[in-house]
Amino acid sequence: EIVLTQSPDFQSVTPKEKVTITCRASQSIGSSLHWYQQKPDQSPKLLIKYASQSFSGVPSRFSGSGSGTDFTLTINSLEAEDAATYYCHQSSSLPYTFGQGTKLEIK
Amino acid sequence: QVQLVESGGGVVQPGRSLRLSCAASGFTFSSYGMHWVRQAPGKGLEWVAVISYDGSNKYYADSVKGRFTISRDNSKNTLYLQMNSLRAEDTAVYYCAKDLTDYGAPDIWGQGTMVTVSS
Repeated sequence: EIVLTQSPDFQSVTPKEKVTITCRASQSIGSSLHWYQQKPDQSPKLLIKYASQSFSGVPSRFSGSGSGTDFTLTINSLEAEDAATYYCHQSSSLPYTFGQGTKLEIK
Repeated sequence: QVQLVESGGGVVQPGRSLRLSCAASGFTFSSYGMHWVRQAPGKGLEWVAVISYDGSNKYYADSVKGRFTISRDNSKNTLYLQMNSLRAEDTAVYYCAKDLTDYGAPDIWGQGTMVTVSS
């Protein structure tokens, strides 16, 4: 099973700040890495598919990069509405797995 | 628009069974793979199972293999999860989700249905 490790687990940030969340896979997964945002009491929403492709309707301040084992989600000019937990997910190898999540708090 | 509505959750005793349903609308259900993903209270997301667009292929997380069965009825635009031999650690919100293609990744998620396994 492929283990995805996110860092940090928690981050407190101010509006307009640039945020970077990383996801490291225990073995190479090519570009089969996806990012989700989950706000409290809501279901997850897809932000980035296949490492760097923006999903339909997602604000342009969200971007993704990486391949192989190391991936990054970047949020440029953070907004208050971005307070949420972010998860990476791999679909390279069954069983599919998620990272443990990164909680973003807005100061 | 794409809509997924889960149902069938509730409180069940350990060792008993429960079947979840997910009614899909707003897209060609028979053309996409479908997933079940769960989230225990206060915890992260755990992928549970995926089924191919035609139901011919099914894969499971090790934690549910042999106990849970994913299935679909394309004539009814409905996804199912049959859960047998339930354990306390199966307590979670269960989400159904549409795949990007067939075995890609979930893109659109339902609102979830809560399953509580307790005596």
